[in-house]
Amino acid sequence: DQQVKQNSPSLSVQEGRISILNCDYTNSMFDYFLWYKKYPAEGPTFLISISSIKDKNEDGRFTVFLNKSAKHLSLHIVPSQPGDSAVYFCAAVRGGSYIPTFGRGTSLIVHP
Amino acid sequence: KAGVTQTPRYLIKTRGQQVTLSCSPISGHRSVSWYQQTPGQGLQFLFEYFSETQRNKGNFPGRFSGRQFSNSRSEMNVSTLELGDSALYLCASSIGTGPSYEQYFGPGTRLTVT
Repeated sequence: DQQVKQNSPSLSVQEGRISILNCDYTNSMFDYFLWYKKYPAEGPTFLISISSIKDKNEDGRFTVFLNKSAKHLSLHIVPSQPGDSAVYFCAAVRGGSYIPTFGRGTSLIVHP
Repeated sequence: KAGVTQTPRYLIKTRGQQVTLSCSPISGHRSVSWYQQTPGQGLQFLFEYFSETQRNKGNFPGRFSGRQFSNSRSEMNVSTLELGDSALYLCASSIGTGPSYEQYFGPGTRLTVT
């Protein structure tokens, strides 16, 4: 049973436009959420995180939004660049666990 | 600061053999976690070691085992290899305490079982 779901396996966006990657979770005990980016032949790289006490966190072109009542979070990339083309993983952590549960990833392709 | 390193990067083994993978975490990180990644399955958690003790364990058979040394370096062992064990094995290190949950991943070891 998947506790963290990324329902879109892939997303294609034009350079300069906004990319929105979505993630849903089922376990209400999760209280910390992270996004990772993965290029082929490399390990995932931490991108941005958000605690459940917040509903938004920004870091440059990347913003994560959290809707606790809907158990939904999203990653916005504005503006999208070809170098953003990668697989993006959403992950959720239950407080005190230190072990994130990962979604299966969304492959983002940004066209020049 | 040096990142997480994993050796070897690529490995080809035969069914029934065993394999040992190695991971060196970021200096100062006491937690090392291991994941298996297969196409379409995302990252499946194997186990986590913190200060030389297995602190968390995923749902993998006993053929998968690991250990952590006093310098936080970790090894993962898979015995009696099966074809389905072919995967990318990722190691991640983190502080492992306090409010920081970010993990830092190595490049992975690509294991092919024939």
